[in-house]
Amino acid sequence: GAVVSQHPSWVICKSGTSVKIECRSLDFQATTMFWYRQFPKQSLMLMATSNEGSKATYEQGVEKDKFLINHASLTLSTLTVTSAHPEDSSFYICSATPGTGARDTEAFFGQGTRLTVV
Amino acid sequence: AQTVTQSQPEMSVQEAETVTLSCTYDTSESDYYLFWYKQPPSRQMILVIRQEAYKQQNATENRFSVNFQKAAKSFSLKISDSQLGDAAMYFCASYNFNKFYFGSGTKLNVKP
Repeated sequence: GAVVSQHPSWVICKSGTSVKIECRSLDFQATTMFWYRQFPKQSLMLMATSNEGSKATYEQGVEKDKFLINHASLTLSTLTVTSAHPEDSSFYICSATPGTGARDTEAFFGQGTRLTVV
Repeated sequence: AQTVTQSQPEMSVQEAETVTLSCTYDTSESDYYLFWYKQPPSRQMILVIRQEAYKQQNATENRFSVNFQKAAKSFSLKISDSQLGDAAMYFCASYNFNKFYFGSGTKLNVKP
């Protein structure tokens, strides 16, 4: 299957600083990338959908100015948590879908990033 | 919006036995896709099986098979000959309009 690489796997940052998480599709072009947040023992909560070259579409209740998403190329999307606070501590997962054929209905997931804000 | 419901928060199965995980969904669309994803302790999401709604034949992948009842909007996952490595969280998901909708998950325990 296709590979999506997410980096870093875990990060600890100080309250008030910003953290950038990268999501790369290694062997396919991802026209659409998704960013999820997962709380312990809960399901994936969709934060936003990003399409290459256009602004991300945020889900209701997700602060656009806090969670900045950039999808600058067909293989890279970034999520920047700005002015992080302890309540932003969570597990963040990205996924990507190819743009053509039947494969575009399958989501390939990164390994996730555990963010801890102290 | 679509909703996906998994009514079994946790299940257990004896090694080598068969277990069925339930999933129901709600959609007004006729063309959509359904998935089962597995999330082991590593938290990497792994595709288990996929079903296209327009296909009447149930999808199978080795020991994994689904029972897709379109009229009832039901999409259960059957795991045969359960193995210790099957222990994980299992998420049912639907896909339509370029968006995935996930259920709340079922934690599967496999007893040796």
